[in-house]
Amino acid sequence: GAGVSQTPSNKVTEKGKYVELRCDPISGHTALYWYRQSLGQGPEFLIYFQGTGAADDSGLPNDRFFAVRPEGSVSTLKIQRTERGDSAVYLCASSFEYRAGYTFGSGTRLTVV
Amino acid sequence: GQNIDQPTEMTATEGAIVQINCTYQTSGFNGLFWYQQHAGEAPTFLSYNVLDGLEEKGRFSSFLSRSKGYSYLLLKELQMKDSASYLCAVRGRGNTPLVFGKGTRLSVIA
Repeated sequence: GAGVSQTPSNKVTEKGKYVELRCDPISGHTALYWYRQSLGQGPEFLIYFQGTGAADDSGLPNDRFFAVRPEGSVSTLKIQRTERGDSAVYLCASSFEYRAGYTFGSGTRLTVV
Repeated sequence: GQNIDQPTEMTATEGAIVQINCTYQTSGFNGLFWYQQHAGEAPTFLSYNVLDGLEEKGRFSSFLSRSKGYSYLLLKELQMKDSASYLCAVRGRGNTPLVFGKGTRLSVIA
């Protein structure tokens, strides 16, 4: 696609529920990144894919968070047993190779009530 | 680990010049990026420095000193639309993902 697409743009869920956030990167970009951003803070790294494999998942806060990219394109970030502290904007970015700048999607604003 | 510091807020006058500083400590260094982020929107790429010196791109310039762990973003002829957060981000060793600072919220006033 022309840009990085993230769906949904907004998600409100109840504490304890499961959510999936989707990211469709720019066509041909092999690197895909997930970040989350809280109000007044910079983006915080979660996980990075090179192709289909997770090259670095050191930013995932705990085992409730998981992400996949089965065909090396679309990625899904999955959060189990959501907590109010998970509320943030989840940003996805892609780049054609690791030295290039990132192109970010518009993000998914997750609110856990 | 990596640590990135930048001022939280700055205010400048329309038409003026403003310099936003960023200092960093990293394990290895493989490039420094500046991004602009308007409220409620995604960050957009502004500049990239990997060697010492000044990179100029229109009204925006970015400077890097690797020995000092220091960069700045210079915005000239400020416009109201430049009101945004400016994020400094550093790549450490190899192909590690970017680490972002907390951002500097710039307000441009008439």
